[in-house]
Amino acid sequence: QVQLQESGPGLVKPSETLSLRCTVSGGSVSSSSYYWNWIRQPPGKGLEWMGHIYYSGSTKYNPSLKSRVIISVDTSKNQFSLNLSSVTAADTAVYYCARRDCSSGTCLNFDFWGQGILVTVSS
Amino acid sequence: EIVLTQSPATLSLSPGERATLSCRASQSVSSYLGWYQQKPGQAPRLLIYDASNRATGIPARFSGGGSGTDFTLTISSLEPEDFAVYHCQQRSDWPITFGQGTRLEIK
Repeated sequence: QVQLQESGPGLVKPSETLSLRCTVSGGSVSSSSYYWNWIRQPPGKGLEWMGHIYYSGSTKYNPSLKSRVIISVDTSKNQFSLNLSSVTAADTAVYYCARRDCSSGTCLNFDFWGQGILVTVSS
Repeated sequence: EIVLTQSPATLSLSPGERATLSCRASQSVSSYLGWYQQKPGQAPRLLIYDASNRATGIPARFSGGGSGTDFTLTISSLEPEDFAVYHCQQRSDWPITFGQGTRLEIK
């Protein structure tokens, strides 16, 4: 069974960079069958897809965040990471990492998720 | 981007009743729509993919339908554990987007 676990600071100051890591167990980020995603949810609000990375390092980002977000992968540690720069209070949210299954030849929905980590942006 | 509008925002029903949740897309997403269930303090769980296919381990009381711009999630007979927030999500076009959620509460 695949498991994903987010880690990182729970408090970030305004204008700084939010950095989170997702550790994958029971599966490999080096697999060509999956995309690895970051999704966030502000308190009491809906879900926002932030972007994904493929094992090759290719990425795709939500245009609403494109200038501030970088997603990277470390295959040696079976992890992928999120960096979000110039944060404001509007970036306060629960951040989830999630897997998207492409093993059938077409990429389906998000089938495995981490438990989420609350990141608060405040001075 | 494709906007998904879910209705109603809140649905109040009793265990044993039938629940019908709606998701409308601002443009056609073909059948590329999924549904998730989210309980407080938990990550979303995939219920339905490609409009009508149940994900692994999802009970048969959950069913999805629709295509194009109008979709429904039906729970045939509500169990106590079904009271949660439900989200729809499209994968037809970038960026991937979610609806704002429907809260299913106990009446």
